[in-house]
Amino acid sequence: AQRVTQPEKLLSVFKGAPVELKCNYSYSGSPELFWYVQYSRQRLQLLLRHISRESIKGFTADLNKGETSFHLKKPFAQEEDSAMYYCALFSGGYNKLIFGAGTRLAVHP
Amino acid sequence: DAGVIQSPRHEVTEMGQEVTLRCKLISGHNSLFWYRQTMMRGLELLIYFNNNVPIDDSGMPEDRFSAKMPNASFSTLKIQPSEPRDSAVYFCASSLDRGSQETQYFGPGTRLLVL
Repeated sequence: AQRVTQPEKLLSVFKGAPVELKCNYSYSGSPELFWYVQYSRQRLQLLLRHISRESIKGFTADLNKGETSFHLKKPFAQEEDSAMYYCALFSGGYNKLIFGAGTRLAVHP
Repeated sequence: DAGVIQSPRHEVTEMGQEVTLRCKLISGHNSLFWYRQTMMRGLELLIYFNNNVPIDDSGMPEDRFSAKMPNASFSTLKIQPSEPRDSAVYFCASSLDRGSQETQYFGPGTRLLVL
């Protein structure tokens, strides 16, 4: 079964602390994974995709096929990083994405 | 381009009433997705269309829900009759169908409250 699991509903950290938002997936083929972010009062938008191996706003995510994980990391959290983060798995055909339940990141001053 | 447009932005209705949510795709996009967001379940895909054709409606919760795409740029999601448990934020998103790496662009959402 295709599934995305984000075990934490809420992650609360202080400014400057490292952040790791966990994402695990279940997929029989070669996975393609994404992180989407929803800032307060803004639209859900793409943050990064694993295939690009990019760093966006200081965030990176590495695909670990052995652990079936795609955790999102940032070494030093900023208050403006506070948002809802969704991990998503491409399900094949027609760009269907399967989203995890989301993790709310709260960065405190 | 204004991006994906949804209307209304907020809807409050009474149980049993019909609710119609509307979505206008980004010009040129040919894939359309309807999602529901709740605190308990996060973001759930309800249905998606490709080139106006419904491809997968397995996420539609019940027969009370229906979605149409009467033309290439517009879609509706209808709930009839509505129930309090339908209260959620409903998003539509559009994308190009050019492969797995195409970004989905989300609308601002419709916040629905059924009393």
